[in-house]
Amino acid sequence: NAGVTQTPKFQVLKTGQSMTLQCAQDMNHEYMSWYRQDPGMGLRLIHYSVGAGITDQGEVPNGYNVSRSTTEDFPLRLLSAAPSQTSVYFCASRSLAGPSRMDEQFFGPGTRLTVL
Amino acid sequence: DAKTTQPTSMDCAEGRAANLPCNHSTISGNEYVYWYRQIHSQGPQYIIHGLKNNETNEMASLIITEDRKSSTLILPHATLRDTAVYYCIVSRPTGAGSYQLTFGKGTKLSVIP
Repeated sequence: NAGVTQTPKFQVLKTGQSMTLQCAQDMNHEYMSWYRQDPGMGLRLIHYSVGAGITDQGEVPNGYNVSRSTTEDFPLRLLSAAPSQTSVYFCASRSLAGPSRMDEQFFGPGTRLTVL
Repeated sequence: DAKTTQPTSMDCAEGRAANLPCNHSTISGNEYVYWYRQIHSQGPQYIIHGLKNNETNEMASLIITEDRKSSTLILPHATLRDTAVYYCIVSRPTGAGSYQLTFGKGTKLSVIP
């Protein structure tokens, strides 16, 4: 299994540009989520999904859109990038099935985004 | 979700046990305690979680006080590769069996040769 993969690893945008951060998992996990991490800070939840066709907002959703058309993919869209969105973005997934529904989340390697 | 308090940083000698404390005095009855760590700039890695009882796995042990207001993560034999930021997180189940993790600033553990 590749686990959770994210592309691109690095990205530089100009203010106002749009882009999509890709996230995919091959573990058939129902739950997927996006976090951002700013320097010296912990991770903050942006959006999450508990299954295909179901998404919800986290702690800091403004400026970001998500969709979940398949179990495997959970892209994060920046509609009009702003310097305040300069951050490292992590995607994560976990299973909602099985004997323990409270188990670990698996994180991707992150996408480092700079908005000029 | 309950707020957690952790020391900003800790040092531990290589080969010794690392004991990382966490206070969560406002924890509710159905909230779990999770520990994750983040090595350098990698994605966080799950370590262990528990509700009331002490837990142990191949990575660490989690000791939760009887009143559940604090816990300690124990790395029994710290190695240089355990140098990381360790996050203590308290979270409750939400709808559809899910839960949310709210990461604070964590404890920066430095393992010293």
